[in-house]
Amino acid sequence: AQTVTQSQPEMSVQEAETVTLSCTYDTSESNYYLFWYKQPPSRQMILVIRQEAYKQQNATENRFSVNFQKAAKSFSLKISDSQLGDTAMYFCAFMKGQGGSEKLVFGKGTKLTVNP
Amino acid sequence: DVKVTQSSRYLVKRTGEKVFLECVQDMDHENMFWYRQDPGLGLRLIYFSYDVKMKEKGDIPEGYSVSREKKERFSLILESASTNQTSMYLCASRSARLAGGSGELFFGEGSRLTVL
Repeated sequence: AQTVTQSQPEMSVQEAETVTLSCTYDTSESNYYLFWYKQPPSRQMILVIRQEAYKQQNATENRFSVNFQKAAKSFSLKISDSQLGDTAMYFCAFMKGQGGSEKLVFGKGTKLTVNP
Repeated sequence: DVKVTQSSRYLVKRTGEKVFLECVQDMDHENMFWYRQDPGLGLRLIYFSYDVKMKEKGDIPEGYSVSREKKERFSLILESASTNQTSMYLCASRSARLAGGSGELFFGEGSRLTVL
């Protein structure tokens, strides 16, 4: 069974600075997807960024980027120029194969606070 | 935009009551999910539905059942609520038809259930 580990239960960063959230996973699959989801306080969870395992290039979405180290089974999220609106719970998730019927496995989350 | 609507944001029930949590999505998604979110435990999958009238147990199905009579609606049922089922419940949906499977889940705002 796949497992996802987020080793940082809580983190804080000053506005405009850069922060990196860690995620490691365990799998024997060769074809899989990795995700970072964001859950702002009292609001619904949304997808931040997605990485396909077969792609060597790290995914980026504006201020959000990942460092995908396939051999090390590591998938960290970097948030540049942190904003107050980035304050949220962040969940790393793993999904094997293609999305037709596969389930996502989530980590336990990292609570990020951006301080003014 | 995809909209996933959960019928109740906050519910308070008594031990032994039957509880229905409703979830409706408006994007003709095949897959629907019920997760439970608890502090320090992340998201845990309760049940998953591939399509209408199809369901699969997740990681923590005990004490829960589900119903998917129509494609847009996925109901979570607590037959006899217990205090250890006090939690945040998240519904999500996903398209199974996208080429390659994007895997992106669309979440509702959550239903916070308190069982007294």
